Amino acid sequence: SQTIHQWPATLVQPVGSPLSLECTVEGTSNPNLYWYRQAAGRGLQLLFYSVGIGQISSEVPQNLSASRPQDRQFILSSKKLLLSDSGFYLCAWSAGLAAPNEQFFGPGTRLTVL
Amino acid sequence: AQSVTQLDSQVPVFEEAPVELRCNYSSSVSVYLFWYVQYPNQGLQLLLKYLSGSTLVESINGFEAEFNKSQTSFHLRKPSVHISDTAEYFCAVANTGFQKLVFGTGTRLLVSP
Repeated sequence: SQTIHQWPATLVQPVGSPLSLECTVEGTSNPNLYWYRQAAGRGLQLLFYSVGIGQISSEVPQNLSASRPQDRQFILSSKKLLLSDSGFYLCAWSAGLAAPNEQFFGPGTRLTVL
Repeated sequence: AQSVTQLDSQVPVFEEAPVELRCNYSSSVSVYLFWYVQYPNQGLQLLLKYLSGSTLVESINGFEAEFNKSQTSFHLRKPSVHISDTAEYFCAVANTGFQKLVFGTGTRLLVSP
């Protein structure tokens, strides 16, 4: 069966510090991968998605970047965090065209920027 | 562009009462529709989905949703809620063949004894 991992589970960082959140998927190959941010009362905002290694699409201009160095690894980064980067970050995967749009979510990382 | 509207940010209900969480979408093409549930400090779990076929879809824990193309709605219902149903519920839409979901802002269901 497929599983998705995210770490860390929680993170408290000062403004201006760097960020690296990691997401890995097991039990499937060539998944589509997604990063979402969930801010209080604002639902889910798609940040990045990837349909293959090295292929990243950005949905909104922001202080964050994403990379996919391996097939089942998706990394969310920032060089300098802002207060507005606080939120709950969710990684998700889907099997692409084989199972259209059904996405499976990881447990999330709660980021607090102080 | 697609969009999803969940008009109710919070729905309080007593245990064993029926509930309906509303979802309306806008899209110029055929869509897939989803309901996800999120328990506190957890990721989202797929509750049910409409891809094609019967417009009434059901989950294993008693929820159901009906796709209404003419009203562009996909409301979620349960005839009798439990305390354990307390969670946030998200409706989502995607174009057929497209790989991105657009989520609504969520509805918090609060079930009290």
